[in-house]
Amino acid sequence: AQSVTQLGSHVSVSEGALVLLRCNYSSSVPPYLFWYVQYPNQGLQLLLKYTSAATLVKGINGFEAEFKKSETSFHLTKPSAHMSDAAEYFCAVRTDTGRRALTFGSGTRLQVQP
Amino acid sequence: SAVISQKPSRDICQRGTSLTIQCQVDSQVTMMFWYRQQPGQSLTLIATANQGSEATYESGFVIDKFPISRPNLTFSTLTVSNMSPEDSSIYLCSVPTSGSYNEQFFGPGTRLTVL
Repeated sequence: AQSVTQLGSHVSVSEGALVLLRCNYSSSVPPYLFWYVQYPNQGLQLLLKYTSAATLVKGINGFEAEFKKSETSFHLTKPSAHMSDAAEYFCAVRTDTGRRALTFGSGTRLQVQP
Repeated sequence: SAVISQKPSRDICQRGTSLTIQCQVDSQVTMMFWYRQQPGQSLTLIATANQGSEATYESGFVIDKFPISRPNLTFSTLTVSNMSPEDSSIYLCSVPTSGSYNEQFFGPGTRLTVL
């Protein structure tokens, strides 16, 4: 079975500081990994995805994530936080076999302080 | 990308009643997913809806409580039956990108409050 664990339900950073949101996955087969963002009272928007083409994945709004197989991790980073980055972030996994739906982590709420 | 709309966007319902949520996609898709997001929690898959066949439900979800229809390749409904306050959640439908399951698009969600 596949699963993801997001460490830290709440992360607070200052504007301009580095953003690091942690995600570890568990999968018996090579996974596809995703980061989604959910702004208040809105649906989910795809930030970026890893589908085995490149280990460092760049997404929208300056976010990127690095797939590290040895650490079973897919942490999300952004060099400089902006106030508009305040949102809920979800890591999700899907494997190429079996169920086609996504398995989501518990989410991390990012707060950006002025 | 797919454009997904859901109706209603939100509703407040009484205990014991039922609500049907509609999901409309602007393109034909074989597979649609229904998720639930309980307050302050992550998304949990309710069921997978394929056109022309019965929906496949995840553990903990049953057809009598969450009947799903999939009459064509662009539309699906999820009914929340005999509601209780524990059903208060955001319900989202999702579709994979055409020809690939490497990306999924989500509808804006239906925010349900059960009193």
